[in-house]
Amino acid sequence: DTAVSQTPKYLVTQMGNDKSIKCEQNLGHDTMYWYKQDSKKFLKIMFSYNNKELIINETVPNRFSPKSPDKAHLNLHINSLELGDSAVYFCASSQGGGATDTQYFGPGTRLTVL
Amino acid sequence: LAKTTQPISMDSYEGQEVNITCSHNNIATNDYITWYQQFPSQGPRFIIQGYKTKVTNEVASLFIPADRKSSTLSLPRVSLSDTAVYYCLVARAGTALIFGKGTTLSVSS
Repeated sequence: DTAVSQTPKYLVTQMGNDKSIKCEQNLGHDTMYWYKQDSKKFLKIMFSYNNKELIINETVPNRFSPKSPDKAHLNLHINSLELGDSAVYFCASSQGGGATDTQYFGPGTRLTVL
Repeated sequence: LAKTTQPISMDSYEGQEVNITCSHNNIATNDYITWYQQFPSQGPRFIIQGYKTKVTNEVASLFIPADRKSSTLSLPRVSLSDTAVYYCLVARAGTALIFGKGTTLSVSS
């Protein structure tokens, strides 16, 4: 069973489009995250949710809107896509809400904006 | 949070022990040292976490001296499948994980 899953695995789209990435975890964790890994391989936290409540929002443009329908799902919606949004997006989850809790990452979604 | 510094890259051969040292001079009393591993085209995976002295699990050992200003991740008898990026992080409860550039370990036969 996949602990943290993301769909789609690859996403190619045109500038200006709106797209969503879905994430689901079956670990029963309370906290979920979105990270962005750019072309230089820097991995940076974007958001974290604890029991459907936004905990961390790291200076991400408001074109990015996370949505957590329940604590097992955290989706990422991106409006008006830009070239600079091209990256790999990772979803993760942990039992607790802090950096000392082990985070389990999904396989990533490679977004390419043309 | 304390900034971490680790080598950009390391090379090794199969069967050797690999030690990756990380410095975190400004680590605070309530900070932990955590290591993650990332294979190409995969998400990071937790390896080990420690506060002081030595921690060992089935994958690696983590050595932390008394002053906690540095730590060493030790991978015993590496294989080709250990080729990955290894991230040293200073973790504090209630805050986000901050990833640096990591150390790219290349294992050759």
